[in-house]
Amino acid sequence: DTGVSQNPRHKITKRGQNVTFRCDPISEHNRLYWYRQTLGQGPEFLTYFQNEAQLEKSRLLSDRFSAERPKGSFSTLEIQRTEQGDSAMYLCASSGLDTDTQYFGPGTRLTVL
Amino acid sequence: GDSVTQMEGPVTLSEEAFLTINCTYTATGYPSLFWYVQYPGEGLQLLLKATKADDKGSNKGFEATYRKETTSFHLEKGSVQVSDSAVYFCALSDPNSGYSTLTFGKGTMLLVSP
Repeated sequence: DTGVSQNPRHKITKRGQNVTFRCDPISEHNRLYWYRQTLGQGPEFLTYFQNEAQLEKSRLLSDRFSAERPKGSFSTLEIQRTEQGDSAMYLCASSGLDTDTQYFGPGTRLTVL
Repeated sequence: GDSVTQMEGPVTLSEEAFLTINCTYTATGYPSLFWYVQYPGEGLQLLLKATKADDKGSNKGFEATYRKETTSFHLEKGSVQVSDSAVYFCALSDPNSGYSTLTFGKGTMLLVSP
């Protein structure tokens, strides 16, 4: 049973650069979620997809952030013109359509220098 | 809006001690409640859940009971092990949002010494 996978696990970038993260959900899961976790805090919701449709976005998701799930399978999260405040762990989760239980991937830790 | 409040850590215990981590919530609907655990450098793992009042979730010796009257979901374990050292997050999922998001507490770090 393959869980949620995320790549890369770690990313170090310079301020102003663009970065892209990938999430592969559990294969039969229709819903995919992105969260951001800063040091010492719980994860905060960013956005979620049902199949390929992006159904909800948090106000935390500024214009520099964009997420896609083009074929309803994997998803990408892109951050343009990164800032030091973007340094965080970016977590992806997935769930089935008729369940409230989300399963998380290992996360991508972003460090912006 | 929805919110989750957890006791601040770190909680420091000796092996075989009894553990309680308090969690209370505020929600507009009738939420599902979860405990997740995060080991250093890793993502979150679902520990247990409960979906209605008086339900008890349990896993790996951990238990939590959904108390609607006190809006609480405290995590307990009778005898902790060193391997239980991790950060524990209480979370809720609100049916009013179509269960589309999880709202987390800030987490409670547990340190267990031999």
